Amino acid sequence: DIQMTQSPSSLSASVGDRVTISCRASQSISDYLHWFQQKPGKAPKLVIYAATSLQSGVPSRFSGSGSGTGFTLTISSLQPEDFATYYCQQSYTAPYTFGQGTKLEIK
Amino acid sequence: QLQLQESGSGLVKPSQTLSLTCAVSGGSISSGDYSWSWIRQSPGKGLEWIGYIYRSGNTYYNPSLRGRVTVLVDRSKNQFSLRLSSVTAADTAVYYCARAGITMERGVLIEMNAFDIWGQGTMVTVSS
Repeated sequence: DIQMTQSPSSLSASVGDRVTISCRASQSISDYLHWFQQKPGKAPKLVIYAATSLQSGVPSRFSGSGSGTGFTLTISSLQPEDFATYYCQQSYTAPYTFGQGTKLEIK
Repeated sequence: QLQLQESGSGLVKPSQTLSLTCAVSGGSISSGDYSWSWIRQSPGKGLEWIGYIYRSGNTYYNPSLRGRVTVLVDRSKNQFSLRLSSVTAADTAVYYCARAGITMERGVLIEMNAFDIWGQGTMVTVSS
């Protein structure tokens, strides 16, 4: 199985900050990398697909980059509604696997 | 707008079979090139993909579940289902159903896209 490793596991930031979350795959996955946002008691919500594409309806302050084994999710200016847990996930090959999550908290 | 809704037993005894259904509304489960997956989330193991079914009826399951999983589709009811046998406490989790676009070649899935639509999730507890 492809292992997905996110860093950091948790992050404290303030409204207006620029934050970056990293995700590393145990082998090359091209751009088959997706980012999800999850709030307590809710299902994950797709934010970025295919490493760099913004899902419809998601604010443009979210962006993704990377290819191969290293990827990042960037939020350019944190808003109160962005505090949540973020997961990366690969769809390069089954079984499809997720990172362990990064919890973004208010400082 | 397509929506997914899970339903099923919230409490299952050890060694029995967990059964869940995902109802698809706002669109047909048979139209377009999509796969239909089950994913679960537990505090101990995070998010875990369980398996999928797609239009031709083909399935693929996570090998970690050691042959205990079956995913079926009922096109007449526009829904798909999950059966997980011989459950233990480790199967306690929130179970989600989700859709992903796919690319097929000669009826075989060759590319899987992101899970773009999810159900709200249903909690299943395994306990006697």
